[in-house]
Amino acid sequence: DAGVIQSPRHEVTEMGQEVTLRCKPISGHNSLFWYRQTMMRGLELLIYFNNNVPIDDSGMPEDRFSAKMPNASFSTLKIQPSEPRDSAVYFCASSRGQSGSAQYFGPGTRLLVL
Amino acid sequence: AQKITQTQPGMFVQEKEAVTLDCTYDTSDPSYGLFWYKQPSSGEMIFLIYQGSYDQQNATEGRYSLNFQKARKSANLVISASQLGDSAMYFCAMREGHNNQGGKLIFGQGTELSVKP
Repeated sequence: DAGVIQSPRHEVTEMGQEVTLRCKPISGHNSLFWYRQTMMRGLELLIYFNNNVPIDDSGMPEDRFSAKMPNASFSTLKIQPSEPRDSAVYFCASSRGQSGSAQYFGPGTRLLVL
Repeated sequence: AQKITQTQPGMFVQEKEAVTLDCTYDTSDPSYGLFWYKQPSSGEMIFLIYQGSYDQQNATEGRYSLNFQKARKSANLVISASQLGDSAMYFCAMREGHNNQGGKLIFGQGTELSVKP
């Protein structure tokens, strides 16, 4: 089975530009998570969906960040406008959404905002 | 308050020896899950092992085992017979709530393990 798929793998953009990160979860998984990893803050959850519904978006830094999950096989994380402090690795993960289920991570998108 | 604490920023181990990576956690929820992930230099996050708070026995997965001491709130990862490919960053994580469907993981700061030949 294919794992979690993320695109793009790398993104370099200029401050003020819109950035869209994409994720395809593992088929059959009904929970999807967006995490951000930085040296300063480590791994932190931004938002997660259960059955395509956002459950917890308390980790979304500010209004510049938005996430959608229009169907069970696709999610986007958008940053508009982007800022240099948004530079990080963004991971998407999915799980079966049950108590003991592990979250399986995608390869990540390495974002650099100049 | 720090919910997951990994006190060892870096560890060295000789190839073929066993190593223990420490993890302590803090929660008032009686139902929770503990996870370990490996992140090699290539950057991906690889799930290793899971322990539920109600599990009676310590979890094992191949060369990985979890030394779960509930009263001490510790969930140390033991890697037996270390291999060069085990060199990576290791993260301990916790998910609170038994019925917390697909609930978020809270990660520790990680321990960087280096295996010496």
